[in-house]
Amino acid sequence: DAGVIQSPRHEVTEMGQEVTLRCKPISGHDYLFWYRQTMMRGLELLIYFNNNVPIDDSGMPEDRFSAKMPNASFSTLKIQPSEPRDSAVYFCASSLGQDNLLYEQYFGPGTRLTVT
Amino acid sequence: GIQVEQSPPDLILQEGANSTLRCNFSDSVNNLQWFHQNPWGQLINLFYIPSGTKQNGRLSATTVATERYSLLYISSSQTTDSGVYFCAVAERRAGTASKLTFGTGTRLQVTL
Repeated sequence: DAGVIQSPRHEVTEMGQEVTLRCKPISGHDYLFWYRQTMMRGLELLIYFNNNVPIDDSGMPEDRFSAKMPNASFSTLKIQPSEPRDSAVYFCASSLGQDNLLYEQYFGPGTRLTVT
Repeated sequence: GIQVEQSPPDLILQEGANSTLRCNFSDSVNNLQWFHQNPWGQLINLFYIPSGTKQNGRLSATTVATERYSLLYISSSQTTDSGVYFCAVAERRAGTASKLTFGTGTRLQVTL
């Protein structure tokens, strides 16, 4: 398997622009997670999906952030409008789960976002 | 929510030395993972170990769930072991799947 795939790997944009990050989970995995990593806050969960349905979005920082999962093999995280404080590495991860138990999570390579 | 503490925060080893990293957590868990974040930022799965002991080459891990801690052992360290080691846990609770909460990590530097 190719593992979790994310694109782009690097994104540099100006404040106020829309940013869209993309993720393809491991085939067959039914959970998908979006994380953000910064020096100040470490790794934090933004949102996760089960069978394409958002389950917990309590980590989404504000209304400028939105995430979708239109099908089992694709998810997007959108920031509109972007701000310099959104600069971070954004990771996507996926896993299997059963009876409310999450199994091993696998992470993608991340997208390094810089907002100037 | 559940608290995850890792120690030590920083560690410098000479190549060939052994080390033990510790992860304490504040509540019952049904998922515990150890990750290595290499200097290029990749998060690499080391162990999925909610309980018991596992070994993979020079690395091994033990989780004592009843006492709420896990240990990661690195033997005969190599420079390629450098990076940050994260422990992440999911709190055991009824009804819904619980998300992973990450510790702040142990930063390891292995020198020649």
